[in-house]
Amino acid sequence: GNSVTQMEGPVTLSEEAFLTINCTYTATGYPSLFWYVQYPGEGLQLLLKATKADDKGSNKGFEATYRKETTSFHLEKGSVQVSDSAVYFCALSENGAGSYQLTFGKGTKLSVIP
Amino acid sequence: NAGVMQNPRHLVRRRGQEARLRCSPVKGHSHVYWYRQLPEEGLKFMVYLQKENIIDESGMPKERFSAEFPKEGPSILRIQQVVRGDSAAYFCASSSTGTGLEKLFFGSGTQLSVL
Repeated sequence: GNSVTQMEGPVTLSEEAFLTINCTYTATGYPSLFWYVQYPGEGLQLLLKATKADDKGSNKGFEATYRKETTSFHLEKGSVQVSDSAVYFCALSENGAGSYQLTFGKGTKLSVIP
Repeated sequence: NAGVMQNPRHLVRRRGQEARLRCSPVKGHSHVYWYRQLPEEGLKFMVYLQKENIIDESGMPKERFSAEFPKEGPSILRIQQVVRGDSAAYFCASSSTGTGLEKLFFGSGTQLSVL
């Protein structure tokens, strides 16, 4: 079956530090890959996505590249802000029938301190 | 805020009681999905409903769990005779279509604690 593994948290960084949150996946087909973010007290929001190999998703200064050879989709940001403090979830879905089913990682809590 | 509303935010039940979790989708959305996050695990798909119909319940436990999305009113996830292993965060999401995950909106979840 499908699975997503992401780095354990919590992660604590100083403002303007570089962020990497690792994510690797196992899937039987060619999935689409996603990063979701959950800010305190809110629901999960789609941060970025990539639908095929070598695609790069980007949003709000965050980037992730779909690496088929390493089955990875690592999240990066060059300079984090306090407002980036949240829980980040890596996820995948199979394309085609059943594509509404997302498989999530456990989430990584990020705290950014001034 | 016209997002997905879940209530209650926190629900405490004793073993053997019933738990009812409610989800009001984004206005106009007719597709609802329930996910469960057990401690130390990722969110896992439970069930997909479209108004008055269950489309896919492949992720639902076979016993004690049921879900509905009536023509009027919120979607309800019902857990009968709860056990400690049901303690988890339950998330609801909605969309206007059954595909296109970028249009999926999540609620902030209900944390169920079974004593």
